[in-house]
Amino acid sequence: DAKTTQPPSMDCAEGRAANLPCNHSTISGNEYVYWYRQIHSQGPQYIIHGLKNNETNEMASLIITEDRKSSTLILPHATLRDTAVYYCIVIAGGYNKLIFGAGTRLAVHP
Amino acid sequence: GAGVSQSPRYKVAKRGQDVALRCDPISGHVSLFWYQQALGQGPEFLTYFQNEAQLDKSGLPSDRFFAERPEGSVSTLKIQRTQQEDSAVYLCASSLAGGTSYEQYFGPGTRLTVT
Repeated sequence: DAKTTQPPSMDCAEGRAANLPCNHSTISGNEYVYWYRQIHSQGPQYIIHGLKNNETNEMASLIITEDRKSSTLILPHATLRDTAVYYCIVIAGGYNKLIFGAGTRLAVHP
Repeated sequence: GAGVSQSPRYKVAKRGQDVALRCDPISGHVSLFWYQQALGQGPEFLTYFQNEAQLDKSGLPSDRFFAERPEGSVSTLKIQRTQQEDSAVYLCASSLAGGTSYEQYFGPGTRLTVT
């Protein structure tokens, strides 16, 4: 599975968009990009995933570059409850064992 | 609806004791995963079940760790002769099926402290 690189930490003002980048330059054609987050003292929570096209759901948007070597998770209007560690994970077909990196610690402040 | 539940939420064991951690996945979910999360780090994969079959146990750190899912629903992770390095949060996750199009739903974890 491809490795990912994320900034260790980011800050965002409440109500503003949070844009979390992820590099996955060695991604293969059959590998998906998944995003999970982990709020303090809770289990990880699925956010969104995609293969090639941009995706949007009620939580976030996922923008994948055309060459698929990087992606950005967008939280359009960050709230204090979005403070968490965000993990970008790239996984191939077959059963979906997750390999977590260090993630990005997002702090949303008033 | 009910999510993934784990029990106990907290467990303190003396070094050398055996412990058993329980996971109740979402009803109907075929796949079940166990992860270990040390303090300040991301979760690390331990083992994977598809129904009652343990298809991957490559992440189990030693033969003191044993997992089972005898009827394809509830799973138990057992750690024998606990050591201090076993102190961690143990997370269970389930998903509807294998493949990459199904997200995993995580439980709240069991925090194990070995003294």
